[in-house]
Amino acid sequence: EAQVTQNPRYLITVTGKKLTVTCSQNMNHEYMSWYRQDPGLGLRQIYYSMNVEVTDKGDVPEGYKVSRKEKRNFPLILESPSPNQTSLYFCASRAGHLGGEAFFGQGTRLTVV
Amino acid sequence: AQRVTQPEKLLSVFKGAPVELKCNYSYSGSPELFWYVQYSRQRLQLLLRHISRESIKGFTADLNKGETSFHLKKPFAQEEDSAMYYCALLISGNQFYFGTGTSLTVIP
Repeated sequence: EAQVTQNPRYLITVTGKKLTVTCSQNMNHEYMSWYRQDPGLGLRQIYYSMNVEVTDKGDVPEGYKVSRKEKRNFPLILESPSPNQTSLYFCASRAGHLGGEAFFGQGTRLTVV
Repeated sequence: AQRVTQPEKLLSVFKGAPVELKCNYSYSGSPELFWYVQYSRQRLQLLLRHISRESIKGFTADLNKGETSFHLKKPFAQEEDSAMYYCALLISGNQFYFGTGTSLTVIP
């Protein structure tokens, strides 16, 4: 089954404690991206990657890092989480052709206290 | 600058009534536009893409370049249509800009 898998689904952490949210896709998609979803703000793109070792900032990259060492994986790293990073995070992948659908993960609800 | 605008945060319609969810975009190039739907406690999933001009679950959306709009329409709303709807603009192949979403409630 074609899917995007994020882990963990839920995470509560403390300010400053480094964490990583993993994202994996099994569709051999070139494009992967991370979003945060906040009430009243919709989804905002954090980072995206057009292929292995190619990453770029989205609209709200501050406080986040990503890496793309393999095509299937695109982890999101918070080196020093802060309470304003409490949010619902989605990973997505997409094939490169025109009109290609973006497939979303099931989401990771992060709370930073 | 907001590239995608969905003016209605909340929209309620009665079952069987027509529904229109508005979306306007700002982009000078050739847009790739999508509608995504998020049912309660589920992940986002694609509903429509303008390039395929398809009708999914009775929904249609027409790209109007003159008005820079991509409104989502359905002639007869069903209860199962209650969900959050996001209009999205894709630029340069991977930069997605989402609207703030419209929460649709279909009243039985």
